[in-house]
Amino acid sequence: AQSVTQLDSQVPVFEEAPVELRCNYSSSVSVYLFWYVQYPNQGLQLLLKYLSGSTLVKGINGFEAEFNKSQTSFHLRKPSVHISDTAEYFCAVTNNNDMRFGAGTRLTVKP
Amino acid sequence: NAGVMQNPRHLVRRRGQEARLRCSPMKGHSHVYWYRQLPEEGLKFMVYLQKENIIDESGMPKERFSAEFPKEGPSILRIQQVVRGDSAAYFCASSPPGPNTEAFFGQGTRLTVV
Repeated sequence: AQSVTQLDSQVPVFEEAPVELRCNYSSSVSVYLFWYVQYPNQGLQLLLKYLSGSTLVKGINGFEAEFNKSQTSFHLRKPSVHISDTAEYFCAVTNNNDMRFGAGTRLTVKP
Repeated sequence: NAGVMQNPRHLVRRRGQEARLRCSPMKGHSHVYWYRQLPEEGLKFMVYLQKENIIDESGMPKERFSAEFPKEGPSILRIQQVVRGDSAAYFCASSPPGPNTEAFFGQGTRLTVV
C-alpha cells in the first residue's frame, strides 16, 4: 500500500517569508497526490492536486507544489505567507483504491 | 449539491456507552472514507467503503469499532463500549467512482468520552 511522510510536524515562519512544507511518498504503482488544508475546528479543504502532466501544480491561496518522481516528493511552497495561512496541512496519496494521509504539518505564521 | 454531511458535530458519551457517527456523502459519491484525528496528531486512516462493501479496514481497531455503508442511507461508524482513548475528531470523506478524483471532507464529529 502507498504511504506518505511529512518530514516536519511544525513549521513556524514570519509573515511575508517563503515557506516549504515537505512531503515524501512511497508506492509501487502510479499515484495521484494532493495537499489539503485544515483550519481550526474545520474539515479539510483541497489546496491542489497532481494527477498528470506538468509537474508544477498551482493551487488556491497562492500555494504551489512540485511533483518529483525521482525523489518521490511533492513539496508544497508559497513565496510569501500571510497570518491567515496558519493551519494544518496534509499531504495525501491515492492510487484510486484508497487515500492515505501524512501526519500533517502545523504551519504557524507569526507577525 | 450539499457537501459531505456529518452528524452530530459534537457527541458526548460516558464510558461503556455506544457512539454512532453518521456520514452522508455528496450526491453521486459511492466511496466513503473514515479518518480519526487524535488531539495534536494527524489524520489516521480507518476504513474505506463502497456501497454495501468494506474495501479496506486495515486502520480499524480490531474490537469495538465497525463501519457500514448501506445501499440506502448514510455511512455509519459505530463504536461500542467507548473508552476515554476514543475521544477524537472523526472525519468522513467521499469521492465519486472513477480515477483522478479527490476526496471531499465533512466537518467532522468530535467525540468526547467522559
